[in-house]
Amino acid sequence: AQKITQTQPGMFVQEKEAVTLDCTYDTSDQSYGLFWYKQPSSGEMIFLIYQGSYDEQNATEGRYSLNFQKARKSANLVISASQLGDSAMYFCAMRLLQGAQKLVFGQGTRLTINP
Amino acid sequence: NAGVTQTPKFQVLKTGQSMTLQCAQDMNHEYMSWYRQDPGMGLRLIHYSVGAGITDQGEVPNGYNVSRSTTEDFPLRLLSAAPSQTSVYFCASSHYYGSSGRGGELFFGEGSRLTVL
Repeated sequence: AQKITQTQPGMFVQEKEAVTLDCTYDTSDQSYGLFWYKQPSSGEMIFLIYQGSYDEQNATEGRYSLNFQKARKSANLVISASQLGDSAMYFCAMRLLQGAQKLVFGQGTRLTINP
Repeated sequence: NAGVTQTPKFQVLKTGQSMTLQCAQDMNHEYMSWYRQDPGMGLRLIHYSVGAGITDQGEVPNGYNVSRSTTEDFPLRLLSAAPSQTSVYFCASSHYYGSSGRGGELFFGEGSRLTVL
């Protein structure tokens, strides 16, 4: 079984500040991947960043980084120097390497960037 | 660069009607899936397929049928629509995790907004 929990329904941040979106996961498998997606108001799902369970380094993609703490089962998304265009819903997701490889999503966090 | 194509984008049904949401991908992905998105619930997996002829249930399969006769297509059928099926539906596909080199991220269609009256 696999479960993703995002405990922040909404976040409000000033433009240019860094923001951390929380994500915790639960699985007994050792091989898995963690993903973050962005959903702007237009509705499309945009892939942001990926972290494999065996990756030793935290993933980074431009202004996005993933703070992966395996022992705590957390995979927080960090957005540096936030921009107005970062306002969106953000979803954390997990995929097991074994078996059916279903991708399971958290409930999401709505991020609002204030000017 | 079509990617994942879903049709229709909008649909209004009456209770008891049936319909099919179409999904096609041109990336030769083995894995295809359908999600529904409801406010405060995130995306919940309805059905998925790991290849032609192979389908399985996700978290919320009741009231939906799928089939996968080709690698490219994965239609979702609502057998007898109910107001509880009012939602936004997403089709998504990927290579089998581990074979893509990037971790098997899902590629999503644009979504289909379904209203059942």
